[in-house]
Amino acid sequence: NAGVTQTPKFQVLKTGQSMTLQCAQDMNHNSMYWYRQDPGMGLRLIYYSASEGTTDKGEVPNGYNVSRLNKREFSLRLESAAPSQTSVYFCASSDLFAGSPLHFGNGTRLTVT
Amino acid sequence: GESVGLHLPTLSVQEGDNSIINCAYSNSASDYFIWYKQESGKGPQFIIDIRSNMDKRQGQRVTVLLNKTVKHLSLQIAATQPGDSAVYFCAETYTGNQFYFGTGTSLTVIP
Repeated sequence: NAGVTQTPKFQVLKTGQSMTLQCAQDMNHNSMYWYRQDPGMGLRLIYYSASEGTTDKGEVPNGYNVSRLNKREFSLRLESAAPSQTSVYFCASSDLFAGSPLHFGNGTRLTVT
Repeated sequence: GESVGLHLPTLSVQEGDNSIINCAYSNSASDYFIWYKQESGKGPQFIIDIRSNMDKRQGQRVTVLLNKTVKHLSLQIAATQPGDSAVYFCAETYTGNQFYFGTGTSLTVIP
């Protein structure tokens, strides 16, 4: 059972470049999330999608866009990367209303130079 | 225990001893709490959860205690093993869709 799969695992970008982080889950969960994790800080929510066809901003959405492509897939796009976006990005999914906790992927380590 | 924005607390225990990791949560309306384990280079892994209508829940070698009066959550690990070495953090939710995470406690098990 794959769970939540994120690609790529590592990425280095130059300031101003763009990229899309991909996430897919095979647990038939309704809700999907993008978090970033920085040293000394807890996971911070960037965007989430409560169900297919909806997306909402989280705590730190500036500089990011998302697409809920279908029930399985939720992508995060950086249009013009900045050094402040250097972080580890985690995708998660849940079926919250059925009492499911968040299930996380193994992350994408992004460095912006 | 955990605090947002501060240095990561550390806990060192001898193999075989019990470990207790604490978490202070922020919102008295939070109704669902989760403990996660995160090993280096990996994503957070679900350990155990508890709802606000419970005070205690047990899993395999782990117990979560919830004290709503003082907004405190603890994770007890029995007979701690080297494989338990990791960062542990709690999460709370009251919105139903947004979780709020502590910064974590780093557990080191000494063989």
